[in-house]
Amino acid sequence: GIQVEQSPPDLILQEGANSTLRCNFSDSVNNLQWFHQNPWGQLINLFYIPSGTKQNGRLSATTVATERYSLLYISSSQTTDSGVYFCAVVSLGDMRFGAGTRLTVKP
Amino acid sequence: KAGVTQTPRYLIKTRGQQVTLSCSPISGHRSVSWYQQTPGQGLQFLFEYFSETQRNKGNFPGRFSGRQFSNSRSEMNVSTLELGDSALYLCASKISTQISYEQYFGPGTRLTVT
Repeated sequence: GIQVEQSPPDLILQEGANSTLRCNFSDSVNNLQWFHQNPWGQLINLFYIPSGTKQNGRLSATTVATERYSLLYISSSQTTDSGVYFCAVVSLGDMRFGAGTRLTVKP
Repeated sequence: KAGVTQTPRYLIKTRGQQVTLSCSPISGHRSVSWYQQTPGQGLQFLFEYFSETQRNKGNFPGRFSGRQFSNSRSEMNVSTLELGDSALYLCASKISTQISYEQYFGPGTRLTVT
């Protein structure tokens, strides 16, 4: 099945810093999503982005499907951005999640 | 608009028993997906239902099953529980069109198998 790798596995930032999270996948996909799981376990869908670029406030995402990667940008990070960020891809009906990037934003 | 609700929130069962978890989607959402999250395997997709029909299924044994009712509420059932079934089970409801996609998750049911 399709392989999904996220990097870095852990990231510690000071409040106000910017960051880039990466998701590599091993095959062509027809669906890619980014999620945030807060420290209390609540999962939130951030972007549905099989290709192209989208922005939502301080967050933006870019997927280059032909090169099999996606990037999630967080600008001016806040402590509420802490948690785990997952990307998930769907290829031929098979949905796979990456292992996540654990982000800690310090005040 | 009320969010996705899952019941129960916490559950303790014994090996060999069966369990049924419930998910009520956001009003108007016809698609419901289920996910399992464990420390060892991470997040895994279980299945998706749309208008009472299973649309996709992840790689789980037949002990895991689900269904969706005409009001879009969904249940998942795990029979003959094993210790490895201990996990956070998440449900999400979704609405998508050609130009938009929205998916919302419930708070999850934490199942402990002893």
